[in-house]
This record gives sequence, C-alpha cells and structure tokens, in this order.
Amino acid sequence: AQSVTQPDIHITVSEGASLELRCNYSYGATPYLFWYVQSPGQGLQLLLKYLSGDTLVQGIKGFEAEFKRSQSSFNLRKPSVHWSDAAEYFCAVGAGGSEKLVFGKGTKLTVNP
Amino acid sequence: SQTIHQWPATLVQPVGSPLSLECTVEGTSNPNLYWYRQAAGRGLQLLFYSVGIGQISSEVPQNLSASRPQDRQFILSSKKLLLSDSGFYLCAWSVNPNQPQHFGDGTRLSIL
Repeated sequence: AQSVTQPDIHITVSEGASLELRCNYSYGATPYLFWYVQSPGQGLQLLLKYLSGDTLVQGIKGFEAEFKRSQSSFNLRKPSVHWSDAAEYFCAVGAGGSEKLVFGKGTKLTVNP
Repeated sequence: SQTIHQWPATLVQPVGSPLSLECTVEGTSNPNLYWYRQAAGRGLQLLFYSVGIGQISSEVPQNLSASRPQDRQFILSSKKLLLSDSGFYLCAWSVNPNQPQHFGDGTRLSIL
C-alpha cells in the first residue's frame, strides 16, 4: 500500500522569500501525485498534479512541483511567497487500481510580513 | 463545469442525537464519491467511498454509515452521535481513481 510523509509540520517564511515543502511517498510503481491547499475552515483546493510525463509540473497560484523517482519525492516550490499563501498544504498519492488517495498529515505555512 | 455542494456548513448536535450530512455533485455522471473526517493536527481520514449507486466501502469501523441513493448524492449518517464524532467532514468526488479528487467546503460538526 502507498504512504505519504510530509516531514515538516509547520514552516514559517518571510513574504517574498522562496518556499519548498517536502513530500516523500512510498509506492512500488509510478504513483499519481497531488498537492492541495486548505485555508482555515475551507475545503481542499487542488494546486497541481503529476500523472505521467514531464516530471516538473506547474500549478495554480505560481506553484510548481518536481517528481523525483530516485528520491521518492514530490516537493512543492514557489519562488516568492505572498501573505495570502499562508495555509495548510497536503500532499497526496494515488496508485493504479486503487480508488483511494493517501494524504500526508499536512504542513502549515505561516508567512511573516 | 462540475460543482460539489455540502450542507450544512456548521452543525451543533447533542450527544446521542442522529446525524445526516448531505453531499451532491453536479455536472458529471457516475463519479467516485468520498467522505473524509479531519481532526485538528491529524490530517484527513478516509471514512467511506463509493464507486456507484448503492456501493459503499467503509475504511474505518465506527459510529457512522454512508449511503448513495442517487448517482450524484452521498449521505453520511449516524443513529447516535458520540463526542468523538466531532470534527470537520469533507466530501469529495473524482472522475476516476487516477484523477484528482475535488472537495466540498466541509461541515464543521460539534457535539455537546
């Protein structure tokens, strides 16, 4: 069965600084990978997805992520963080033949002015 | 375009009372449907999923049940709520397992 680890529970960055949120997965074959963002009291919004092909994927709000098979990672990046990016971020992995996604426990992002 | 509706947005219920949360999807047919619970600091816990009308898979044995009476309707129920049922409940849908899940705005359930 697949699993996901988000090593950082809470990250604080200054506005305008770059951001990288880590995600490591465990799965024997090529997974389907997703990043979601959740603002307080809201549902989850899809930021980007990797299903196949180009390992560098672009998403909404200026985010990108890179699938690295050798490291079993799918880290989320943004070159310059805005105060509105403060939220909780979830990485999720799916596997062929399974109807389910497995979510990481999330990383809470705080943005300092 | 597809949309997902969840209601109510917030709910306060006494211990031992029944529960019914509803989720509907518009703009697609035969979606996969999911119910999650999110407790503070504990991520998302998949409760139930459904790949078709009347087909329900339960992930965690508990005080809750789910039903899918129509293609795009998914209901989460309980006969008697427990304090431990408090949390943020999210409904989601996907076209197929290899595609992203899309979430509703959630229901905040508080048990008194």
